[in-house]
Amino acid sequence: QVQLVQSGAEVKKPGASVKVSCKASGYTLTTYDINWVRQATGQGLEWMGWVNPDSGNTAYAQKFQGRVTMTTDTSISTAYMELSGLEYEDTAVYYCGRGWGSYDVWGQGTLVTVSS
Amino acid sequence: EIVLTQSPGTLSLSPGERATLSCRASQIVGSNFLAWYRQKPGQAPRLLIYAASNRATGAPDRFTGSGSGADFTLTISRLEPEDFAVYYCHQYGSSPRTFGQGTRVDIK
Repeated sequence: QVQLVQSGAEVKKPGASVKVSCKASGYTLTTYDINWVRQATGQGLEWMGWVNPDSGNTAYAQKFQGRVTMTTDTSISTAYMELSGLEYEDTAVYYCGRGWGSYDVWGQGTLVTVSS
Repeated sequence: EIVLTQSPGTLSLSPGERATLSCRASQIVGSNFLAWYRQKPGQAPRLLIYAASNRATGAPDRFTGSGSGADFTLTISRLEPEDFAVYYCHQYGSSPRTFGQGTRVDIK
């Protein structure tokens, strides 16, 4: 069946970088954009940006410009989101979602904890 | 940036009752590109409605989306136990895409 499977939980120190992966199965990765959305504990959803796996084009929320990089490796059907300069406020669950607009398939989420 | 304001913040209802959730945008949502998601604790969101009124594949028919422009509504005709959760609206008609702050539907 169609699914997105994300990499496991990460613990990082302030200032470090984290790279989260999102592996697609059951469909061809290049068919849809991959979006990234995060959610701090007990908070709402925050859109971070998208990557088009076919063209490599990206669009990022202004808040994350300069700190986030979204890429894909179509040979292994995997999308990546790398966030640098981590701060305590970046502690959250990070989700990937498939779609050009609304997201009909989501990954299970990856908890990233920023702690000294 | 389009700000989405959901109301009420919390809705307390009993199973079998009807729920009406509102999502108001600070500007017109282009092409009525407004989606609704349900999120249960510890789970990823699940798409229910896209383009304001189209039910997603597999979404139960008790979920109905309506509205246009800047004013949208999600109606749940009869609440099932699995519907007690948090609901988010999401606009994708312009960049940056944004989410509402959520409406929690809990058991009365």
